[in-house]
Amino acid sequence: GAVVSQHPSRVICKSGTSVKIECRSLDFQATTMFWYRQFPKKSLMLMATSNEGSKATYEQGVEKDKFLINHASLTLSTLTVTSAHPEDSSFYICSAPKGNYGYTFGSGTRLTVV
Amino acid sequence: DAKTTQPPSMDCAEGRAANLPCNHSTISGNEYVYWYRQIHSQGPQYIIHGLKNNETNEMASLIITEDRKSSTLILPHATLRDTAVYYCIVRAPNTGNQFYFGTGTSLTVIP
Repeated sequence: GAVVSQHPSRVICKSGTSVKIECRSLDFQATTMFWYRQFPKKSLMLMATSNEGSKATYEQGVEKDKFLINHASLTLSTLTVTSAHPEDSSFYICSAPKGNYGYTFGSGTRLTVV
Repeated sequence: DAKTTQPPSMDCAEGRAANLPCNHSTISGNEYVYWYRQIHSQGPQYIIHGLKNNETNEMASLIITEDRKSSTLILPHATLRDTAVYYCIVRAPNTGNQFYFGTGTSLTVIP
């Protein structure tokens, strides 16, 4: 149980275009989801907290107009990277809190901007 | 969340026990210790968690010191598939609070 499905697993896009990443909780409801970014050989960096039915909370230094987060239902949060540039190339991971077990994580999305 | 410190890397021979330490000297009384691991290019995977008692499951054992200022994750018989980055995180349960990841320990299991 407590599965989070993330899609797509990898995407290549052209510079200047936008990319949407989906994160779904399959067997539970998630009022909160978290989005992380990970650069090669680095740890996961929290980008934002996605709240169902309200605005997302962004970590310091993360541009909210560039990384649009929507959490319109209890099972779906989306992250849209707008006007992507090569420096946005990274591994993006979503997660949701699951009771005492902390978090359950998606499998991640490898974004490459060319 | 309390900060944790871990050694950046460790090696372990295949079949031997891997003991991964974590310091969390500022842990609060209601914060649990969680261990996750991340295999290359995958999302983190839950391993085990505990409050103050030692815990064991099918994956690992968690030993927490009596003062709760440090803990050790034990993989009893490491395999090549255990090669990953291991993260120790402290957090109060059921709060919905974020996990902030430290740098973790990169464990390499050597044949």
